[in-house]
Amino acid sequence: SAVISQKPSRDICQRGTSLTIQCQVDSQVTMMFWYRQQPGQSLTLIATANQGSEATYESGFVIDKFPISRPNLTFSTLTVSNMSPEDSSIYLCSARTSGPTGELFFGEGSRLTVL
Amino acid sequence: TQLLEQSPQFLSIQEGENLTVYCNSSSVFSSLQWYRQEPGEGPVLLVTVVTGGEVKKLKRLTFQFGDARKDSSLHITAAQPGDTGLYLCAAPTGGGNKLTFGTGTQLKVEL
Repeated sequence: SAVISQKPSRDICQRGTSLTIQCQVDSQVTMMFWYRQQPGQSLTLIATANQGSEATYESGFVIDKFPISRPNLTFSTLTVSNMSPEDSSIYLCSARTSGPTGELFFGEGSRLTVL
Repeated sequence: TQLLEQSPQFLSIQEGENLTVYCNSSSVFSSLQWYRQEPGEGPVLLVTVVTGGEVKKLKRLTFQFGDARKDSSLHITAAQPGDTGLYLCAAPTGGGNKLTFGTGTQLKVEL
């Protein structure tokens, strides 16, 4: 299993600013992911955070807007750059245990509100 | 078009009722998972199904993987308020390294 801690848990941000979300896992994991979720709705994958190399982004998400770092096997950050109200959402860090049927563990999420 | 379509999208029932949630796709998957998410928390894994036709039970929850491995269902017997939450199916994509989630079913069980 894996316990994931995210911070901040919530924040209110001004339009045009950037915010970095930190994700710490209590054990070494191979795969880490960042998802976005509107309250009560499903999860959309933003990117796979690759250790020691550039993240792999999904269609519709770009590195300039959502730069991701993963310096080691237990830590990752997601920055939401030049924020607009449309970026208001819950951002979830997750880690997956190995294997094709590996379980996905999630942090509690970071709820961002952009004014 | 979503890869994994869930129905219904919303469900509000009384305690003690039974319900079924469906997860459908036109794609074949090697496995499928169901997660439940409560407000303010991340999703938590309920079950993984791997074999076509497989049925798994978790107390009052029964999960089934379709014979063709394109769909799945979650049946809850005698629902309780503690079952309230967002139910999400998910399947591996992108060579199995990523997990894509279904559209979600928001369940509310009232006293």
